[in-house]
Amino acid sequence: ETGVTQSPTHLIKTRGQQVTLRCSSQSGHNTVSWYQQALGQGPQFIFQYYREEENGRGNFPPRFSGLQFPNYSSELNVNALELDDSALYLCASSYSGTGVEKLFFGSGTQLSVL
Amino acid sequence: AQRVTQPEKLLSVFKGAPVELKCNYSYSGSPELFWYVQYSRQRLQLLLRHISRESIKGFTADLNKGETSFHLKKPFAQEEDSAMYYCALRGSNYKLTFGKGTLLTVNP
Repeated sequence: ETGVTQSPTHLIKTRGQQVTLRCSSQSGHNTVSWYQQALGQGPQFIFQYYREEENGRGNFPPRFSGLQFPNYSSELNVNALELDDSALYLCASSYSGTGVEKLFFGSGTQLSVL
Repeated sequence: AQRVTQPEKLLSVFKGAPVELKCNYSYSGSPELFWYVQYSRQRLQLLLRHISRESIKGFTADLNKGETSFHLKKPFAQEEDSAMYYCALRGSNYKLTFGKGTLLTVNP
């Protein structure tokens, strides 16, 4: 059983650019969620995808968008990068069946916006 | 709106002492509550969830709806419990809200 993998591990971009972060879910999982974790803060929910559809969103502007693919891998896209977008971005996958599912987190992508 | 408050940023105890990590929440409906833990150089992982009423690694947490709290407790702390602990709440819109975390240090 493979875990959740994220790529790249580190990324440096300049203000105004666009970025795509990738996540490969744990085998058998059909739900993926993305989080932004600024330094010294807890993870903040960006959005969740279930079977390729967004089914939950946090307080992030539309320039944060995502995709989930049929193989349940996922992307987080951020347009028009701002300095405050510098953070650790975490992906988590789970199997959404009945009851409360357990999230499995990746190691994250550290994004620096200069 | 849903909110999770962990009042202690840092908590330091000695090995063998009891430990309690505080978590208070604000949510108008029936919340699902979790504790996540991140050990040094490891990824964030689920420790326990209130719905399971389980004890993991000696830790327990009871949901107190009257006090809107979900404190994490362990009667005898071990050095390997040193980690960052996050309390989290899930509402009906699947949004998972984390607190800012408490860094627990267990001294020998």
